[in-house]
Amino acid sequence: QSVLTQPPSASGTPGQRVTISCSGSSSNIGSNTVNWYQQLPGTAPKLLIYNNNQRPSGVPDRFSGSKSGTSASLAISGLQSEDEADYYCAAWDDSLNGWVFGGGTKLTVL
Amino acid sequence: QLQLQESGPRLVKPSETLSLTCTVSGGSISSYYWGWIRQPPGKGLEWIGSIYYSGSTYYNPSLKSRVTISIDTSKNQFSLKLTSVTAADTAVYYCASLAFSSGAWYFDDWGQGTLVPVSS
Repeated sequence: QSVLTQPPSASGTPGQRVTISCSGSSSNIGSNTVNWYQQLPGTAPKLLIYNNNQRPSGVPDRFSGSKSGTSASLAISGLQSEDEADYYCAAWDDSLNGWVFGGGTKLTVL
Repeated sequence: QLQLQESGPRLVKPSETLSLTCTVSGGSISSYYWGWIRQPPGKGLEWIGSIYYSGSTYYNPSLKSRVTISIDTSKNQFSLKLTSVTAADTAVYYCASLAFSSGAWYFDDWGQGTLVPVSS
């Protein structure tokens, strides 16, 4: 069982807006920044969002992140077929003194 | 952008030691933190541990008794050793760089990953 909780699946149609939640606690999300990773089938994870809401260069502005208290969210607007992937949240945990990941959310574009 | 490449045996027997090396190119290993993350088939990501170029390490508490991460700055490489492996350690193992920007740490560049089955 993962320290950070994500819904196992999400779906949307092309052009739609989809959000993926990530729930944690005061020792991780509540006191540290959240990062999001996109993993396309058969590939390594790719950094999508860092520092709660910052996009690395090259990541479309269709992807956005937010954080409030002990929860975070990833939003994808203008959904495209190539967005079909697994998405993971991650944060440093002060109690465990280590990185923790969410269990991952499989996004399906219908 | 850094390039990272994992290398090591493609099969490990139960009770033996899993050893992997990550070779870094496109930058100096002395400028960053580094990490190992694994992903069992069909499952999520699990952080194994991290190391700074000075040698200071952080390990996942659930694996700490079996893990050693080391760094060789002369070869621009860092390594993972996981002892007493079982089938539960079968996973794709990734090495990654840890970057710091805007007051936040994050895994930035990743290797392509290497599947290490544990089987007799």
